Amino acid sequence: DARVTQTPRHKVTEMGQEVTMRCQPILGHNTVFWYRQTMMQGLELLAYFRNRAPLDDSGMPKDRFSAEMPDATLATLKIQPSEPRDSAVYFCASGFQGLRTDTQYFGPGTRLTVL
Amino acid sequence: SQQGEEDPQALSIQEGENATMNCSYKTSINNLQWYRQNSGRGLVHLILIRSNEREKHSGRLRVTLDTSKKSSSLLITASRAADTASYFCATDFKETSGSRLTFGEGTQLTVNP
Repeated sequence: DARVTQTPRHKVTEMGQEVTMRCQPILGHNTVFWYRQTMMQGLELLAYFRNRAPLDDSGMPKDRFSAEMPDATLATLKIQPSEPRDSAVYFCASGFQGLRTDTQYFGPGTRLTVL
Repeated sequence: SQQGEEDPQALSIQEGENATMNCSYKTSINNLQWYRQNSGRGLVHLILIRSNEREKHSGRLRVTLDTSKKSSSLLITASRAADTASYFCATDFKETSGSRLTFGEGTQLTVNP
């Protein structure tokens, strides 16, 4: 039963600290998405990659957020320095996409609390 | 904004009743998808309907799409307490660099036993 995995599941940190979230997409999927979910803003797309190349990261605050795919089995989202307003649940999703968007498979999320 | 908008924001029904949620969007789409999110969990894909389709069924789910009105509805028949969750519509917003989904704010469905 293939699924997207994310680590850590929960993270509590202090303002100013670096946070790294990891995602293992489903094997064979060529597209990886990072979302952030808060009560106020709902589900926001931060960035996405196709075949490991970044296609769109316009949803990310560039001064503190960075997203990478070092290889096909690992995607990372880093926040440095973290701020209390970054507290949210961060989801990774993967899918196989050609010319059109099809189903996305979501991981369980990383719940981040920045004190 | 290209975002889909769900209606109602919250819906509370009794077990066994049908639940209908609506989604409206603003731009032309390739497809529209519905996802479910249980509290504290990730989103789970329910059903995808393409722009050239008008209706689709999957078990107790029925989705309709009216591209002339830019709207879709999700019907859950014979609801169960386990259907309690948030339901999101997502539209395939075509971009030149690829394509991505834009999610609405969701409908919170509560099914009372």
